[in-house]
Amino acid sequence: AQSVTQPDIHITVSEGASLELRCNYSYGATPYLFWYVQSPGQGLQLLLKYFSGDTLVQGIKGFEAEFKRSQSSFNLRKPSVHWSDAAEYFCAVGTTDSWGKLQFGAGTQVVVTP
Amino acid sequence: EPEVTQTPSHQVTQMGQEVILRCVPISNHLYFYWYRQILGQKVEFLVSFYNNEISEKSEIFDDQFSVERPDGSNFTLKIRSTKLEDSAMYFCASSPTPSYNEQFFGPGTRLTVL
Repeated sequence: AQSVTQPDIHITVSEGASLELRCNYSYGATPYLFWYVQSPGQGLQLLLKYFSGDTLVQGIKGFEAEFKRSQSSFNLRKPSVHWSDAAEYFCAVGTTDSWGKLQFGAGTQVVVTP
Repeated sequence: EPEVTQTPSHQVTQMGQEVILRCVPISNHLYFYWYRQILGQKVEFLVSFYNNEISEKSEIFDDQFSVERPDGSNFTLKIRSTKLEDSAMYFCASSPTPSYNEQFFGPGTRLTVL
């Protein structure tokens, strides 16, 4: 069955430290991969996306993600977090055989401490 | 910057009542979506809509649900007879094209069914 897994429900990180959020997927078709962020009271904002080509993609707010086909992973990273990065992060997958439909992971809540 | 808006931000209703959730997609977008997130669970796809008809719907989107674009700006989700299990955050999204392009999400409507 198709699935998207974010193994970490909650991560606490110190301001200035690095952050890595994990995402694994299981899909038969070619996946399109996204990371969205949701701040309290806000909608889901796209951080970055991967369709093809270079497996390291750069996004907004200093985030990057690396697609590893062999590991079925698309992990999100940021070298140095800011207090404003505290939010919930969602990995999402779309496929070529499902028109416009995104499947989301359960989300990872990131808390940033001083 | 254009954004997707949703009204109301919070709706409380009695079980069995009809509710209409409203969304104003970004003006030049042609593809519209509804997702929902039950508290503590994943964001789930409900339906996609293009050219005044449903393109795809999930198993969740049964006969109690309907969508409509009543005019050139609004996109609505109607639940005919609400159940307790319909309590969730409902997100509207729009995109200029389907599949692998970014979907822009609204801030959501929290529906509480009593």
